[in-house]
Amino acid sequence: RKEVEQDPGPFNVPEGATVAFNCTYSNSASQSFFWYRQDCRKEPKLLMSVYSSGNEDGRFTAQLNRASQYISLLIRDSKLSDSATYLCVVSDYKLSFGAGTTVTVRA
Amino acid sequence: ETGVTQTPRHLVMGMTNKKSLKCEQHLGHNAMYWYKQSAKKPLELMFVYSLEERVENNSVPSRFSPECPNSSHLFLHLHTLQPEDSALYLCASSQDSGTAYEQYFGPGTRLTVT
Repeated sequence: RKEVEQDPGPFNVPEGATVAFNCTYSNSASQSFFWYRQDCRKEPKLLMSVYSSGNEDGRFTAQLNRASQYISLLIRDSKLSDSATYLCVVSDYKLSFGAGTTVTVRA
Repeated sequence: ETGVTQTPRHLVMGMTNKKSLKCEQHLGHNAMYWYKQSAKKPLELMFVYSLEERVENNSVPSRFSPECPNSSHLFLHLHTLQPEDSALYLCASSQDSGTAYEQYFGPGTRLTVT
């Protein structure tokens, strides 16, 4: 089983729509969780950390479900600029990256 | 100055060549990393340096040789590579090597081995 699994997508959504996707992880001892964003042919950049109680950053909401070992990302009121690949990152003593979920927002 | 820089941005090399990738961070961080990113695959951590000492080496073939002369610079020396080594090589830095710290990535070197 892969350490971190993501639905590769792509998720094609119209502007203004809400899109959500999950990431599952295999190590129940994982302590830290993050979402990174990677634009086409660019480097990954931290989008947000994921806290146990869930957290929001503007239009982005991240949730953690330890019992089922997944984290989620929800994007409200999608913008064209949200088109990117979203990388799930989970850590115990080392960082493990998912392969990414691609989101395409169309006009 | 951009936080993490990498040179060259693109590199094409034959299997018998020797080349080096360079990374420089201007953030005052203590930890630096090399990652390999192949198409449709997760980032693979290759090496971790903390305060210029290698703290992790993820079973990387010896044809990849890292060097960290100081906390701001990191090199990846390449020799006798294979075509399957073609990928995007990303350098990153973080405040310290603990996994709770945000990683700042450079733009990467796109390597093609012919």
